[in-house]
Amino acid sequence: NAGVMQNPRHLVRRRGQEARLRCSPMKGHSHVYWYRQLPEEGLKFMVYLQKENIIDESGMPKERFSAEFPKEGPSILRIQQVVRGDSAAYFCASSPGLGETQYFGPGTRLLVL
Amino acid sequence: DQQVKQNSPSLSVQEGRISILNCDYTNSMFDYFLWYKKYPAEGPTFLISISSIKDKNEDGRFTVFLNKSAKHLSLHIVPSQPGDSAVYFCADSYSGAGSYQLTFGKGTKLSVIP
Repeated sequence: NAGVMQNPRHLVRRRGQEARLRCSPMKGHSHVYWYRQLPEEGLKFMVYLQKENIIDESGMPKERFSAEFPKEGPSILRIQQVVRGDSAAYFCASSPGLGETQYFGPGTRLLVL
Repeated sequence: DQQVKQNSPSLSVQEGRISILNCDYTNSMFDYFLWYKKYPAEGPTFLISISSIKDKNEDGRFTVFLNKSAKHLSLHIVPSQPGDSAVYFCADSYSGAGSYQLTFGKGTKLSVIP
């Protein structure tokens, strides 16, 4: 039973570049959540998706950030024109159904130089 | 305005003794609380949860207590083991936004001393 998979585990970008973070949920899970953890902080909710649909993006910054969960393939969190303040750990979680326990991936650590 | 607060950033406990981690919350509309454990460079691992209609839930060495009048919950680990050394996050889950998104505290770093 593979858990939630995220890649890359580490990503280095220069200011102004694009960052693409991928998340493959656990088998049988169709609900995906993205969270961000800044240094010395707890995880903060960003977006909740089901297959092909964004359900709740209330935690997403209004500009430069987007997310998708296509019918085939992993969920993608995309950050355009990265800035140093985007440096953080980005975690994906999946659950089998709405309101059920969320299981987290190992995270992608983004460093913006 | 932080909805979930973990006021102790760190806690040290002797192996074999009880570890008590605390969490306070402000949102009375939550559906349930969860505790996650996190090792460095890994994602959070689910430990135990408690629904709003209960005041206690137990799973092996882990017990969570919920005091709704005080808006307080705690995680008890008995007996504590060195492998329990990690950062512990409490989180609440609220369905009001339709997503059951989790709101996390800042975490408490537990060190179990052999």
